[in-house]
Parts: sequence; C-alpha cells; structure tokens
Amino acid sequence: AQTVTQSQPEMSVQEAETVTLSCTYDTSESDYYLFWYKQPPSRQMILVIRQEAYKQQNATENRFSVNFQKAAKSFSLKISDSQLGDAAMYFCAYRSGADKIIFGKGTRLHILP
Amino acid sequence: GAGVSQSPSNKVTEKGKDVELRCDPISGHTALYWYRQSLGQGLEFLIYFQGNSAPDKSGLPSDRFSAERTGGSVSTLTIQRTQQEDSAVYLCASSSGTGSFQPQHFGDGTRLSIL
Repeated sequence: AQTVTQSQPEMSVQEAETVTLSCTYDTSESDYYLFWYKQPPSRQMILVIRQEAYKQQNATENRFSVNFQKAAKSFSLKISDSQLGDAAMYFCAYRSGADKIIFGKGTRLHILP
Repeated sequence: GAGVSQSPSNKVTEKGKDVELRCDPISGHTALYWYRQSLGQGLEFLIYFQGNSAPDKSGLPSDRFSAERTGGSVSTLTIQRTQQEDSAVYLCASSSGTGSFQPQHFGDGTRLSIL
C-alpha cells in the first residue's frame, strides 16, 4: 500500500529566510503525481504545487519549489523568502491513476518575525 | 458556485443523535472525497466517489458512517448514533476525473462537535 511520510511535525523559520519541508513516500508504481497543500488557520486546503513523476524537472511556483528525487522517493518543498502568510500546516500528498489521494500527517510551519 | 460548498459550517449535537453533512462539489467534477480531520491532525480518508463507479468506502471507520452521492453531484455524509470521538472537522473535496494530475479542491469543512 502507498504511504506518505512527513517526518517533521513542526518547523520554524525566520521571516525572509528559506525553509525546506520533507516528504517521503512508498509506492511500487512508476507513474504517479505528488502534491503539496497548505492549510492556514482558516482551515481551507490550498494547493501549493504539484509534480508529475515522469517529469525530471522540479516544479516551481514563485517562492515555492520542490526537490523531487524519484529513486529516493523523496518530494521536499522549499519555501524561499518566507512570509508571515506562509504560516500554516503543509500536507504532502500522493496519487496514482484514478485512486484516492493519500496525505501525509502534515508539518506545522511557524514564521518568526 | 465557484468552489466546493459544505454545510453546515458548524454543527453541535448530543451524543447518540444522527447528523447529516452536505457537500456540493464544483460543477462538472466527477470525483468527490470525504475526509475527517481531528484537531491538529492530518486528513483521514473516509470515502471516495468517482463518476458512476462503486464508491471506495475503505476509510469509513464504522458502520455508523455512510455517504451517498445523488445524481453525480451533491453528497451527504451521515453519521448515526454519534459518539464523542466523532468530533472533528469533516472536509469534502472534488476534482475533475479526467486524469490524476487534477488536484483536489476543498470546501471549508464542517466542524462537528459531539456533546
């Protein structure tokens, strides 16, 4: 069965600094998709970034980028120039085919002013 | 509407009562998901509807939980004989069924409190 592991329950970063959130997953599939979602205190889940497994190039969305290491089954999220509005729970997620999406347990990110 | 709509946003009920939570997905989205999120925890998958296929009910925690999706659109999650451990935020999400790259769009959730 596929699993998604986020080993950092909480992290803190100084405003304007860079932080990396870890995510590893386990699968026997070769074609799948990975996502990072953000959940601020308002509890609305917001898609941050997504990656197709067959693409070697790491996805980037403004200050957010990923380091996708397919062989290592690692999918970390890097947030550059951290802002106070980045404070939230961040969830890593996996999906293969038409199956349900599997979420990690999340990492709570604190931004220190 | 433009997004996934859930109602009610908050529900307080007494232990033992039945509750119904509603989800109105984005128009045209064929996939619909229900999740449960306990305070400060991750998302616990409950059930997944995809088009006309039989739903994936593998995440339902007990037979007190059921869900249906009428006409391929609105879904109702029903919890019978509620228990205190059912207290959580129940999140609904929908996605376009045309390819697994499509992300899920979430509603704001229903916060359920069992007294």
